[in-house]
Amino acid sequence: DAGITQSPRHKVTETGTPVTLRCHQTENHRYMYWYRQDPGHGLRLIHYSYGVKDTDKGEVSDGYSVSRSKTEDFLLTLESATSSQTSVYFCAIKASLAGGYEQYFGPGTRLTVT
Amino acid sequence: GENVEQHPSTLSVQEGDSAVIKCTYSDSASNYFPWYKQELGKRPQLIIDIRSNVGEKKDQRIAVTLNKTAKHFSLHITETQPEDSAVYFCAASPHDYKLSFGAGTTVTVRA
Repeated sequence: DAGITQSPRHKVTETGTPVTLRCHQTENHRYMYWYRQDPGHGLRLIHYSYGVKDTDKGEVSDGYSVSRSKTEDFLLTLESATSSQTSVYFCAIKASLAGGYEQYFGPGTRLTVT
Repeated sequence: GENVEQHPSTLSVQEGDSAVIKCTYSDSASNYFPWYKQELGKRPQLIIDIRSNVGEKKDQRIAVTLNKTAKHFSLHITETQPEDSAVYFCAASPHDYKLSFGAGTTVTVRA
């Protein structure tokens, strides 16, 4: 599992409330990612980080912010949750290999916004 | 940015038959093409990948082919088994650090 954990694994929240999801890795990988998965859309990149305090937007970043104050933790925050943000959220890391790289996913967080 | 299209969206095959999933990409700079398998309620897991300097790669019953000229790549599963039932995602990477995913193919293997 490449040492990736996510918390919480399930969350139900109300529209308008802030929500923070946590991704934790134990193998000192430089790159970390947040994706959301929705039926018919595959995996869409929200934000990614390429080091402590270094982050950039993905294709669906509106309504989300991220922070990375330590190598091992990458936080995703929904400032004011909306029903359209009901989804399964996956964190991922990039593991560099000789000749290329591979991306590994965490177990996912199922978020329901009511 | 990179745009990856994946077909078909659903695929039903008889156990023992072959399954083929096709993906096209838009960015000619893409040089890395992984395939992920996701079982129900689980995380996506890398099952095979191919880089642009190779035209085909095999791993037991799974193979991937790449046609850079046409900008498409395919996943082939032979002798399908019930445990092959899952959602499969293709992806393409024009950079060393970012993947663009297809929408997924739900494969059902009928016993």
